[in-house]
Amino acid sequence: DAGVIQSPRHEVTEMGQEVTLRCKPISGHNSLFWYRQTMMRGLELLIYFNNNVPIDDSGMPEDRFSAKMPNASFSTLKIQPSEPRDSAVYFCASSPGTAHYGYTFGSGTRLTVV
Amino acid sequence: AQSVSQHNHHVILSEAASLELGCNYSYGGTVNLFWYVQYPGQHLQLLLKYFSGDPLVKGIKGFEAEFIKSKFSFNLRKPSVQWSDTAEYFCAVNAAGNTPLVFGKGTRLSVIA
Repeated sequence: DAGVIQSPRHEVTEMGQEVTLRCKPISGHNSLFWYRQTMMRGLELLIYFNNNVPIDDSGMPEDRFSAKMPNASFSTLKIQPSEPRDSAVYFCASSPGTAHYGYTFGSGTRLTVV
Repeated sequence: AQSVSQHNHHVILSEAASLELGCNYSYGGTVNLFWYVQYPGQHLQLLLKYFSGDPLVKGIKGFEAEFIKSKFSFNLRKPSVQWSDTAEYFCAVNAAGNTPLVFGKGTRLSVIA
């Protein structure tokens, strides 16, 4: 199993540009999570999906952020327009959907907005 | 809402020293508890987890953690650390059921020779 796959690994973009982060969860996992990691705030849950359906997006900081999961093997997190304060590492994680399995994390996307 | 507190922001130890990292959570119901490790530049990896049974849980690389329900704690321990244990350690909790993991802010461990 290739694990949770995220792309790109690094993204540098100018303020105001649209950024799209991608995630492929582990096959058979029916829960998918997007987290943001910063020095100041640690790991914050942005949004999660069960069976491709968004369950809780209360962690999405602003309307500039949106996430989709069109099918069981793909999810995107989009920021439009991007701002310097969005600079962070964005992690995707997936889980079989039972609470005590824990999550498998992807390698993350390091986003820098200049 | 659940929350997780990790008391130590940065711990510096010499090789072979014993380690204990504190973790307390706030939630009155049944919980699942986890410790994750993040090596420099890498993603989070599961070290160990507790969801029922023996409150002393053994994980990978010689780590263990003890769930003390009365103290709402799940401290991580290792009898003798190695330089390769240098990493950031995150405690996480979720309520029984399928609620998302809530993470503590992490403890950075630096092991020096």
